[in-house]
Amino acid sequence: DAGVTQSPTHLIKTRGQQVTLRCSPISGHKSVSWYQQVLGQGPQFIFQYYEKEERGRGNFPDRFSARQFPNYSSELNVNALLLGDSALYLCASSLLTGLTGGIGETQYFGPGTRLLVL
Amino acid sequence: AQTVTQSQPEMSVQEAETVTLSCTYDTSENNYYLFWYKQPPSRQMILVIRQEAYKQQNATENRFSVNFQKAAKSFSLKISDSQLGDTAMYFCAFMISNSGYALNFGKGTSLLVTP
Repeated sequence: DAGVTQSPTHLIKTRGQQVTLRCSPISGHKSVSWYQQVLGQGPQFIFQYYEKEERGRGNFPDRFSARQFPNYSSELNVNALLLGDSALYLCASSLLTGLTGGIGETQYFGPGTRLLVL
Repeated sequence: AQTVTQSQPEMSVQEAETVTLSCTYDTSENNYYLFWYKQPPSRQMILVIRQEAYKQQNATENRFSVNFQKAAKSFSLKISDSQLGDTAMYFCAFMISNSGYALNFGKGTSLLVTP
């Protein structure tokens, strides 16, 4: 079975531009989470979506937005890019079996998109 | 604030030896889950082991086991019979109910397994 896939694998942008990153979850998984991993640090939570609804948001500015589609794939958009947005952006999917589920649901990560802002 | 501390930025172990990676966390919640993830060089993050906070028994997965001390808020990972393929960044993380099901990660420990 295919794991979590992300595209593109690498991206170079300049300050002020906008970027869209894409993620396809494992088949059958209804939840997608996005994380930012700056070099030398652990991943930081950005968003989680379940059934196309935002279920959680980390401490990131409004320049960051996301959405989930009916096929459960997801996009992360970042506007007005800053140098500090350079990072590995990770997508993770999980099953989330119910409305009160999610606790302990293992998140499976994709390979990430490496974004460089010049 | 929920925090995870991994006090060992780098560690080294010889093949076939045992190594323990430390992790402490801080939360006021009572219901949470703990995870160790492994991120090999230029490869994706994979789950090593998970532990439910309400379970007293320490989780084990083949050569990997944890020492979960809830009162001390400590969650260390023991790797037995280390293999070259264990070389990776290891991240400790936890998840609580009111965090939007987000994983809170530590800064990681870089483990090098030498021949």
